[in-house]
Amino acid sequence: GESVGLHLPTLSVQEGDNSIINCAYSNSASDYFIWYKQESGKGPQFIIDIRSNMDKRQGQRVTVLLNKTVKHLSLQIAATQPGDSAVYFCAEGYYQLIWGAGTKLIIKP
Amino acid sequence: NAGVTQTPKFQVLKTGQSMTLQCAQDMNHNSMYWYRQDPGMGLRLIYYSASEGTTDKGEVPNGYNVSRLNKREFSLRLESAAPSQTSVYFCASSAALGGNQPQHFGDGTRLSIL
Repeated sequence: GESVGLHLPTLSVQEGDNSIINCAYSNSASDYFIWYKQESGKGPQFIIDIRSNMDKRQGQRVTVLLNKTVKHLSLQIAATQPGDSAVYFCAEGYYQLIWGAGTKLIIKP
Repeated sequence: NAGVTQTPKFQVLKTGQSMTLQCAQDMNHNSMYWYRQDPGMGLRLIYYSASEGTTDKGEVPNGYNVSRLNKREFSLRLESAAPSQTSVYFCASSAALGGNQPQHFGDGTRLSIL
C-alpha cells in the first residue's frame, strides 16, 4: 500500500547547526506534502508545505525540498535552536493525509 | 485565540463503556478531522467532515462514530470501548478539504481503556 516513512527515528544536532530531516514516500502520484512539528504533550503544528509542481519552498528558517525522481522529501532547519526540539512528521496526500512515523530532533547544547 | 479545543484532556474507561470526545474550532473552518496517534507512530485518520452536514470514513473508522453537530463542533463516539482503542486522539480543522489547506490541531485527548 501507499506509505510515507522516515529514514532516521532520532536526530541529534548541535545548537546553532543546521538540521536535515528526511522522508521517503511511495506514491508517485502524490500531489501535496506537508511537515508538522509536534512538541511533547501537544498537537502537531504546521511548519511548511509543498506541492508536487515545486522542488523547493522556503519559510522562516525552514526549507522543504522535494525530489520526485527518488520520491524523497526533506526538511532543513537553519541555525537549530533549543525550541526546535520536537518530533517532526512528514505527511502526504490531498484529501486525506498519510503520515510517516516521525523523527525526534534532539538539540545538544 | 483558542483554535481547536478538545475535551476531555484525559480519560480512563473500562472495556465496553461508551464515551464521546468533543472538539470545537473557532476559526470558521469548513473541514474537520479526527485522528488517533499510537506510541511511536504517525497519525491515522479515523473520520473527517468536509463541510457541515457531511462525514466520511478515513483509514481506521471501525469502532467509531462521528457527528458534525454544526460548523464549529465535531464529536467522536466510542460505542463499546476496547483496549485496542487506547490512544491519543487528535481533532483538527482546515479552511477546506484538500490541496494546500493546512490542518490545525488541538492538543489531544489521552484515552486509556482498561
